[in-house]
Amino acid sequence: DIQMTQSPSTLSASVGDRVTITCRASQSITGWLAWYQQKPGKAPKLLIYEASSLESGVPSRFSGSGSGTEFTLTISSLQPDDFGTYYCQQYNTYSWTFGQGTKVEIK
Amino acid sequence: QVQLVQSGAEVKKPGASVKVSCKASGYTFIGYYMHWVRQAPGRGLDWMGWINPNSGGSGYAQKFQGRVTMTRDTSMSTVYMELTNLRSDDTAIYYCARDRSSLIDQWGQGTLVTVSS
Repeated sequence: DIQMTQSPSTLSASVGDRVTITCRASQSITGWLAWYQQKPGKAPKLLIYEASSLESGVPSRFSGSGSGTEFTLTISSLQPDDFGTYYCQQYNTYSWTFGQGTKVEIK
Repeated sequence: QVQLVQSGAEVKKPGASVKVSCKASGYTFIGYYMHWVRQAPGRGLDWMGWINPNSGGSGYAQKFQGRVTMTRDTSMSTVYMELTNLRSDDTAIYYCARDRSSLIDQWGQGTLVTVSS
């Protein structure tokens, strides 16, 4: 199975900060990577697919980049509603795997 | 609108089985694969497998092979996930999730399964 490793596990940032989360795959997944946001007690929500495509309705402050084994999710200007846990997911094969998550806290 | 409505919370003893249902509405049921993802308390997302509601074909994550079965009833627009030989570490919220081109674009509300003696 392809392993996905996210860093950091937790981050605390202020409103307006630029925030970057990294996701590394144990082998190349070309661009088959998605990012999800999960709020406490809720199901995850799709933010980014194919590494850099913004899901409809998702604010433009979210962006994704990368290919192969290294990917990033960037929030250009952190907003109060952006707290939660962020997960990457590879879908290069039909045996999906998620990263362990990055918890984003607002200072 | 698209809705995935799951069955209610379950409490099971170790060694027992659980069957969770997920009723789809608002779209063509047989047109989208469905996945199951679980989340243990305070933990991350754990992908379990998929089912093709059209053919009934399925595929499972290696860690669940032999313990999980995913089925569907097209007349009811419902998919099912059965997990056998439950252990305490199977305690989790179980989500069904609709596949849009290998992405999850819709999630059920989740079903809490508690395994406790």
